[in-house]
Amino acid sequence: EVQLVQSGAEVKKPGESLKISCKGSGYSFTSYWIGWVRQMPGKGLEWMGIIYPGDSDTRYSPSFQGQVTISADKSISTAYLQWSSLKASDTAMYYCARHLGELSRIDYWGQGTLVTVSS
Amino acid sequence: QSVLTQPPSASGTPGQRVTISCSGSSSNIGSNTVNWYQQLPGTAPKLLIYSNNQRPSGVPDRFSGSKSGTSASLAISGLQSEDEADYYCAAWDDSLNGLYVFGTGTKVTVL
Repeated sequence: EVQLVQSGAEVKKPGESLKISCKGSGYSFTSYWIGWVRQMPGKGLEWMGIIYPGDSDTRYSPSFQGQVTISADKSISTAYLQWSSLKASDTAMYYCARHLGELSRIDYWGQGTLVTVSS
Repeated sequence: QSVLTQPPSASGTPGQRVTISCSGSSSNIGSNTVNWYQQLPGTAPKLLIYSNNQRPSGVPDRFSGSKSGTSASLAISGLQSEDEADYYCAAWDDSLNGLYVFGTGTKVTVL
């Protein structure tokens, strides 16, 4: 069974750094792209970017380029999303999701990680 | 960021048919397949329709999708109370280095 299990909710202050994780299991982690999707409170889905854990090829949406860093550690089947300096506007639910292939659909989703940034 | 436009809401009584539209452009829907996701309250999205009109295993045949030109639509026939959710269309966009774009989302209410 394909599973994407994300790290738990985080409460941070503006300016702090953060790295959240997404562990894949039940499939070959290095053979599928992993994407990250943001959902701000009461809002829709926004695709942030993707990484191919096999070779760490990474692509970002222009809206998120330079704002976050996507990475992966294939030895432990885990993808990451990180911020160096959080802002209040980063408060959102973040989902990791598996893309069936390059330029293909998302077929599985993680349960989501709620990030709250407040002073 | 959303380049795919959906109506914000749709509603129907149990048993009715509800249709949701998704309007895009030549760089996304016009040249790539459309997928639909269902997000039940408080949960992660789930793949509902892929490649315009294909249902993953386990998705009831009450859900159907279609595409024409730069638009797509999702139909729910025989509406049930458990269908009350947010629905999003999505497609790859050929601009830049490739971008997966979501629709603005439609809240379906069962009256």
